[in-house]
Order: sequence, then C-alpha cells, then structure tokens
Amino acid sequence: GAGVSQSPRYKVTKRGQDVALRCDPISGHVSLYWYRQALGQGPEFLTYFNYEAQQDKSGLPNDRFSAERPEGSISTLTIQRTEQRDSAMYRCASSLAGTGGTNYGYTFGSGTRLTVV
Amino acid sequence: GESVGLHLPTLSVQEGDNSIINCAYSNSASDYFIWYKQESGKGPQFIIDIRSNMDKRQGQRVTVLLNKTVKHLSLQIAATQPGDSAVYFCAENYSGGTSYGKLTFGQGTILTVHP
Repeated sequence: GAGVSQSPRYKVTKRGQDVALRCDPISGHVSLYWYRQALGQGPEFLTYFNYEAQQDKSGLPNDRFSAERPEGSISTLTIQRTEQRDSAMYRCASSLAGTGGTNYGYTFGSGTRLTVV
Repeated sequence: GESVGLHLPTLSVQEGDNSIINCAYSNSASDYFIWYKQESGKGPQFIIDIRSNMDKRQGQRVTVLLNKTVKHLSLQIAATQPGDSAVYFCAENYSGGTSYGKLTFGQGTILTVHP
C-alpha cells in the first residue's frame, strides 16, 4: 500500500481481555517495527522483524506481549490479559531494511489507540 | 541507562523567525540520529537525519547540527511557518549492534508558531 496501515484505529477493551493489533507495512519493506507511545512522550521500542524473523523483542514489557509476522508482511501484536497500564498508542513502522545508519524509508503508521477499561 | 532527552519541552516563535530545538543524548555509541515531526493524530514524520561522521547537514529550511563532544543534537528551522507547529522528537540509533533497527526517542518539544 501507499503507507503503513494499522487496524483498528481505536480499540476499547475490558481489563483481562486479549487484543490483537494489526500492521500492514509498505509493500516491499523488509523491516517492521512496533513502538508504544504515551501521551507527550516519544515512541518506545517494543520489537522488530526482518522478513518473518523477530530480530529483537527486548522492548516487550512482559510475557503478556507477543508479536508475529508469519509471512514476512502483515504483523500482529497481541496483548493477553490486558491491564489498564497497557493503555497507549501502539505504532507500527516499516523500512526497506534495518536502519543501519540510513533511514531507508522508515515510515510510521497512524497507530492504534488502545484503551483498557 | 541510555537515554535521549530534550532541554526545552515547549518553544513559541513568531512566523518568520528561526527556531532551534535541542536534544541531548547519552549513548556515546550511537552513530545515527534522526529528527521527526509529529502533528496531532499522526505518526512521526521524518525530517532530516545525520550520521556521526558529520557535524552538520542541511535540508530544505532545516539544518541538523551534531556535537559529539558534548553529545548534543539540534534542529534549526529557518523562516518558521505556522505549518511547522508540531511536536519534534530526536531519535538515536546504534547501527553496529544486532538491534540496528531500533530507535530510541527523546521526550519531544512542542513548537508553536504564531502568525
């Protein structure tokens, strides 16, 4: 597609429910990244993939968070047993390749606003 | 821990003035830096980047300066326009590690341009 597409745009869920957030990267982009952004803060790294391989998941807060990109394109970030502290904007980004000192078209999506009530 | 931070959380300028937004970073191994602009309801948008082997890079109306000695990064916007009003973030990257795709962002500076 023309840009990084994320769905849903807004998600309200009850505490304890599982949620799945979807990211559709720019066509042909090798690398896909997940960030979480609190209001007034910069995005905080969660995890990233090159093709289908998860390269780094050091930013995932705990084992309730997981991500996959099974075919090297669309990715899903899953949060199990959601808690109120999980409420945030979840942003996906993609690039032609890992940043490696060059932007390589690193593009962010508009995000999914998750609210846990 | 390693962090990227900003000296000024808000900046208000008059249209036509030049703006300077500052950022301090603490990871001396970082070798790539990016400035992003984020408008309300949108994702961060790339403005300009610079590698650590440079100390200045110019784009259209924007200039990024890097001072590795004091670990300081700045974004200069010339002839600021109302459309420049947004939150500006600096981000750092270490390209030599296994996590070369990871960006670490600062807190952000709110730039308001008055007509």
